[in-house]
Amino acid sequence: AQSVTQLDSHVSVSEGTPVLLRCNYSSSYSPSLFWYVQHPNKGLQLLLKYTSAATLVKGINGFEAEFKKSETSFHLTKPSAHMSDAAEYFCVVRGSSASKIIFGSGTRLSIRP
Amino acid sequence: NAGVTQTPKFQVLKTGQSMTLQCAQDMNHNSMYWYRQDPGMGLRLIYYSASEGTTDKGEVPNGYNVSRLNKREFSLRLESAAPSQTSVYFCASSIGTSAGELFFGEGSRLTVL
Repeated sequence: AQSVTQLDSHVSVSEGTPVLLRCNYSSSYSPSLFWYVQHPNKGLQLLLKYTSAATLVKGINGFEAEFKKSETSFHLTKPSAHMSDAAEYFCVVRGSSASKIIFGSGTRLSIRP
Repeated sequence: NAGVTQTPKFQVLKTGQSMTLQCAQDMNHNSMYWYRQDPGMGLRLIYYSASEGTTDKGEVPNGYNVSRLNKREFSLRLESAAPSQTSVYFCASSIGTSAGELFFGEGSRLTVL
């Protein structure tokens, strides 16, 4: 069975400092993994995706994620936080059918001035 | 470049009333989905349509019906609304159910009194 765990429900960082949002997954085969961002009262927007090519994936707005099979992790990072990064972030694991698209419970990112 | 369009954006219903949420995508995607988002619970799949002419239940289908009107449109109907159906509803689409990322609409906020 597949599952995804976002290890922090809330992360707060100062503007200009690094961001780390943690995601662990469980899958019986090599999954596709995604990070989505949701700004207040908006839909979910794709940040980046891993589909078994390069393990370091670059996304929009300076975000990156590294797929580590040995650790079953897909953590999201950004070198320098910006106020506009304040949002909810979702890690998603995708299997072979619609019922196997699993969303994490989300991490709310706050940015301190 | 509209992507996924949902209507209405906001709706208030009384218990027992019915309504239909409309969704249309212009990306020629085969698969469409309806999710609900509740605080602290991530996104939960209500129904999906793998391709035109097919629909299947997701994780939380009770109290809902769907219609895949054509390849572009996928509607969600509440026949007799209940307060437990107060939520934000998201429509999404993808090229298929076994691959590719989901593209989301902006959401429909439904309150049932």
